[in-house]
Amino acid sequence: AQKITQTQPGMFVQEKEAVTLDCTYDTSDPSYGLFWYKQPSSGEMIFLIYQGSYDQQNATEGRYSLNFQKARKSANLVISASQLGDSAMYFCAMREAVGQGGSEKLVFGKGTKLTVNP
Amino acid sequence: EPEVTQTPSHQVTQMGQEVILRCVPISNHLYFYWYRQILGQKVEFLVSFYNNEISEKSEIFDDQFSVERPDGSNFTLKIRSTKLEDSAMYFCASSEVRGRYEQYFGPGTRLTVT
Repeated sequence: AQKITQTQPGMFVQEKEAVTLDCTYDTSDPSYGLFWYKQPSSGEMIFLIYQGSYDQQNATEGRYSLNFQKARKSANLVISASQLGDSAMYFCAMREAVGQGGSEKLVFGKGTKLTVNP
Repeated sequence: EPEVTQTPSHQVTQMGQEVILRCVPISNHLYFYWYRQILGQKVEFLVSFYNNEISEKSEIFDDQFSVERPDGSNFTLKIRSTKLEDSAMYFCASSEVRGRYEQYFGPGTRLTVT
């Protein structure tokens, strides 16, 4: 069963406008964490923002904010004032505990390709 | 700012050859991971490593794969006999003990098997 669902294969936004990238997740673990990573065409994975399941407030990092709706199991990324450099793939991921000793793995969604138009 | 490094950035190999992908995690990190991303697809977990042993591996990580931390700084992924379908971007990641909320990713090694 798919644990991270990103329903938008591609999104377009005008420069300087805000855009929301959707992410829903599925877990029965009461303790979990959600991440967003940006992957530009060069290929590296850039950490953007993190939301813990027990965090009382929605996470924010500069122009990035996370719209966390726990009951709906959604963790949408909001990018405000889009810039041309925001054009990239965006991946939502959830951490899962694995093995023993505190190791975790990240389970990724399929990603959303964001294109910012001038 | 400390970062995870990976070498080489791009490796081309012939089917059936052995490859070793190298990673230097952030120095105070204790948890290490390999992920792979086939072109145009999502990132997939391969293996996690802690305390000098594998703590978890995915179904992708079969007997052709192995990991090692030979000298306390490097973390390697070996593919014993490469197949065409091993062509992918391989990411190394590491995380620290406390506040291990973020896994820091390296820039990746693009492996092309011909």
